[in-house]
Amino acid sequence: AQSVTQLDSQVPVFEEAPVELRCNYSSSVSVYLFWYVQYPNQGLQLLLKYLSGSTLVESINGFEAEFNKSQTSFHLRKPSVHISDTAEYFCAVSGGSYIPTFGRGTSLIVHP
Amino acid sequence: ETGVTQSPTHLIKTRGQQVTLRCSSQSGHNTVSWYQQALGQGPQFIFQYYREEENGRGNFPPRFSGLQFPNYSSELNVNALELDDSALYLCASSPKSRGNSYNEQFFGPGTRLTVL
Repeated sequence: AQSVTQLDSQVPVFEEAPVELRCNYSSSVSVYLFWYVQYPNQGLQLLLKYLSGSTLVESINGFEAEFNKSQTSFHLRKPSVHISDTAEYFCAVSGGSYIPTFGRGTSLIVHP
Repeated sequence: ETGVTQSPTHLIKTRGQQVTLRCSSQSGHNTVSWYQQALGQGPQFIFQYYREEENGRGNFPPRFSGLQFPNYSSELNVNALELDDSALYLCASSPKSRGNSYNEQFFGPGTRLTVL
């Protein structure tokens, strides 16, 4: 069985400040890890994923996440956020079926 | 190229009724997955269909059922609606290929179901 814990339900931050959204997982098998973003009234969009290889993965819009097997974490970071990054962010874990188990989500609120 | 579409966008039903939600997959995608997202929660996997057959199911009772059609569109049916069925229902399609490799899921905007 797999599970995901997103430690913060809400993260307020000022524009251009750095941010970290925390994610811890538990799994008895090899894992694949994902971050999805959900803008208001929209479906989920894949932000980035870790399947294998380099433990640091990046998205096209400046987010990055690092797979840390010893700490069972996959925290999401961005060095400088924009107003447009305001959204709900979901961490997810899957096994070989690639069907994700999602966390409860973290609401990122970027203030001007 | 059209993305994943779902209908209707909103729906209100009463307890005990039945509901059908529809999903059109993205062009070229043969796999459809359904998720339930309750308010303030992450999506929960209901089931997946691959080439018209159920290909995995989450922890949902049998009153949640589905279909996939030859054009790979899909329906989610829920019988005997309960108040706790109120949620956003998300559909996601992917181009599953032979073997067990990763294929990205593309999500639709969802159907908001309210059960009174």
